[in-house]
Amino acid sequence: DTGVSQDPRHKITKRGQNVTFRCDPISEHNRLYWYRQTLGQGPEFLTYFQNEAQLEKSRLLSDRFSAERPKGSFSTLEIQRTEQGDSAMYLCASSLFGRSNTGELFFGEGSRLTVL
Amino acid sequence: KQEVTQIPAALSVPEGENLVLNCSFTDSAIYNLQWFRQDPGKGLTSLLLIQSSQREQTSGRLNASLDKSSGRSTLYIAASQPGDSATYLCAGGTSYGKLTFGQGTILTVHP
Repeated sequence: DTGVSQDPRHKITKRGQNVTFRCDPISEHNRLYWYRQTLGQGPEFLTYFQNEAQLEKSRLLSDRFSAERPKGSFSTLEIQRTEQGDSAMYLCASSLFGRSNTGELFFGEGSRLTVL
Repeated sequence: KQEVTQIPAALSVPEGENLVLNCSFTDSAIYNLQWFRQDPGKGLTSLLLIQSSQREQTSGRLNASLDKSSGRSTLYIAASQPGDSATYLCAGGTSYGKLTFGQGTILTVHP
């Protein structure tokens, strides 16, 4: 088990293009979270899944953003019609939710998006 | 709405010093408090997690405390080393794992 994996690590795109990020959580983790971090700030919550169900979405997640976790394993975060303000690090985390839930999250290395 | 503040924003110390990073939160009904380390351009590495029923946690040279009544947590680093240089983030967590982060403290330990 190599931890949470994110791909790609870096993405440079032109304004108006669509981009998709993928996250593979730690195996057997049933919860998966997406966060966004801009330069000099702490990460901000975007959304989270329990298995394949998306249980909460932040107001930060505009209608240009969509996240899926179709089989309860990996997840994708798609940004349509990118804007320069979307430039940020997109972080994925996973956790094991159960009877002895500690709530500890394990983060991946992030996907850095630069919109020109 | 939970708000988390970290003080100081940046800290520079000589190698070998003991140091304290501060974190305050507005909602005392947190489920847990996590401290993370972040190296430039990298993801977050979990350092310590304190459950709401706990007062402190220790790992090696790190010790984190939690005082829910005052809305404060501290991260104590003993005998700092240049390799400790990084951004340290604290986050208050809910029972379903949603974390609210502070802006971080940038730590520089110079030889």
